[in-house]
Amino acid sequence: AQSVTQLDSQVPVFEEAPVELRCNYSSSVSVYLFWYVQYPNQGLQLLLKYLSGSTLVKGINGFEAEFNKSQTSFHLRKPSVHISDTAEYFCAVSDGGYGGSQGNLIFGKGTKLSVKP
Amino acid sequence: DVKVTQSSRYLVKRTGEKVFLECVQDMDHENMFWYRQDPGLGLRLIYFSYDVKMKEKGDIPEGYSVSREKKERFSLILESASTNQTSMYLCASRSRPSSYEQYFGPGTRLTVT
Repeated sequence: AQSVTQLDSQVPVFEEAPVELRCNYSSSVSVYLFWYVQYPNQGLQLLLKYLSGSTLVKGINGFEAEFNKSQTSFHLRKPSVHISDTAEYFCAVSDGGYGGSQGNLIFGKGTKLSVKP
Repeated sequence: DVKVTQSSRYLVKRTGEKVFLECVQDMDHENMFWYRQDPGLGLRLIYFSYDVKMKEKGDIPEGYSVSREKKERFSLILESASTNQTSMYLCASRSRPSSYEQYFGPGTRLTVT
């Protein structure tokens, strides 16, 4: 069964500093990878996704992620964070199939990013 | 833009009550999902539906049922609410299985007392 591990449950960082949120997945088949963001008391919003092609994926709000197949990782990065980036971030993986439960997303447990002034 | 709406943002119910959580999407999506979100546990899938009147159990279906009579609406039912069902409930939709990306509603924070 697939699984997603977000290595840090909380990441505190100062404003304008760079940040990396780590995500590792386990899968023996092709995967599709996603990062979602959840602001306080809101639903999840898609930040970026990797389906195929370039392993460096750019998303909204200046975030990017790199797919590394050999390390089974999909880490999220931003070179300079703002107070408004304070939120919880979820990594998710799909196995790409679409029969039964295949193709559904498996989510990590989330990383809370706290940006301090 | 895809819009997924949920009937309530906050809900307080008593133990033993029957609870209905409603979700509506306006983009003619085939697939819809119900998750619960608890601190430190991430999102866990309760039920999903590939099409009208079709439903499949997710990872934690116990204590829940669902209904999908129309394509745009997916209801989550707690037959007899219990305190351990206090949680944030998130609905999502997806245009079709091969699109993978899911669109989420704002969530319903349910408290069972």
